Amino acid sequence: RKEVEQDPGPFNVPEGATVAFNCTYSNSASQSFFWYRQDCRKEPKLLMSVYSSGNEDGRFTAQLNRASQYISLLIRDSKLSDSATYLCVVNIQGAQKLVFGQGTRLTINP
Amino acid sequence: NAGVTQTPKFRVLKTGQSMTLLCAQDMNHEYMYWYRQDPGMGLRLIHYSVGEGTTAKGEVPDGYNVSRLKKQNFLLGLESAAPSQTSVYFCASSLNLRLAGSTDTQYFGPGTRLTVL
Repeated sequence: RKEVEQDPGPFNVPEGATVAFNCTYSNSASQSFFWYRQDCRKEPKLLMSVYSSGNEDGRFTAQLNRASQYISLLIRDSKLSDSATYLCVVNIQGAQKLVFGQGTRLTINP
Repeated sequence: NAGVTQTPKFRVLKTGQSMTLLCAQDMNHEYMYWYRQDPGMGLRLIHYSVGEGTTAKGEVPDGYNVSRLKKQNFLLGLESAAPSQTSVYFCASSLNLRLAGSTDTQYFGPGTRLTVL
């Protein structure tokens, strides 16, 4: 079983729609969580950290469910510029490196 | 503050040639990483370093060597390039992820596109 699993998609949604992704992690010692965004042929960039109480950044909302060991990302009023691959990332307590999911590919259609 | 930079941006090699990819960061980060990413696939960790003078193997280290002689630089070497090493190589850096309750994360360079013919 992979340490971090994501639905690879692709997700194709119309502009203005709301879209949500989930990500599950297997290590209960996971202590911090992030969503990264990767545009085609570019480097991954931090989108937002995920806090225990959930957090929002504009149209983006991240949630953490420690009991079920998953995190989610909700994008409201999606824009064409939201088209990208979204990577779920986990920091396991005591580890020296982050664990990256394979990514979920999102395409927003006009 | 340039963040993480990588040199070169593009390179074409012939099978058997050698080369070194340079990663530099100006954020005083302890940890540095080298990943490769193949089309349609996720990131795979090649080697990493948790401090100057230290290196460790990731999940796909074969065919690569690394050195961290200075805190700000992390070099990735290919001694005898093979077509299977055609990929995009990303360097990343971070603060000490092992600190209790660390919420630190990694920052990536723009990547090096390597083609081995």
